[in-house]
Amino acid sequence: NAGVTQTPKFQVLKTGQSMTLQCAQDMNHEYMSWYRQDPGMGLRLIHYSVGAGITDQGEVPNGYNVSRSTTEDFPLRLLSAAPSQTSVYFCASSSGPTDTQYFGPGTRLTVL
Amino acid sequence: RKEVEQDPGPFNVPEGATVAFNCTYSNSASQSFFWYRQDCRKEPKLLMSVYSSGNEDGRFTAQLNRASQYISLLIRDSKLSDSATYLCVVNNDYKLSFGAGTTVTVRA
Repeated sequence: NAGVTQTPKFQVLKTGQSMTLQCAQDMNHEYMSWYRQDPGMGLRLIHYSVGAGITDQGEVPNGYNVSRSTTEDFPLRLLSAAPSQTSVYFCASSSGPTDTQYFGPGTRLTVL
Repeated sequence: RKEVEQDPGPFNVPEGATVAFNCTYSNSASQSFFWYRQDCRKEPKLLMSVYSSGNEDGRFTAQLNRASQYISLLIRDSKLSDSATYLCVVNNDYKLSFGAGTTVTVRA
């Protein structure tokens, strides 16, 4: 049982490049979410999804897109990377927002 | 104002000591509350949920004060393995808000 997987683990981008962070879970969870973690600021919610085909914005959605075509996958797209998007990105899944959140190992992204 | 605020610490305590810390939240309509633990920038993991009546899980006790809008965590008989950052988490509808974390270091 892999739980929540994220790829890549590390990524360096140049300003203006685009990329997709992958997140997958094998627990049949309906609720999935993306966070970014910056020093001294805690995790901030970027986007979340309550099921396939349904997504909504979190606290800091600008510059990011998501889609949820299957229950298992919830990719996060950076449209045009900026240095301000340098951060650690965590994906999480759960049966619902009040249930235990299971986090992936994170993607450490640097934008030059 | 941040939705969830925590004393960042660090709390530096000897093994066997008791350590306690709080977090405050701004939205009085918040529905559920949690403590997560994070080690060295690894992924957070659920420590315990926090219930209105207060709850214990082994050496850990969590309290919720809705009137004053704060949540507390108490760790008894601290172990070296309790060294971590503890994240206070509050749920509003489908959105979770995380505090920046309280760092605890337990020394031998």
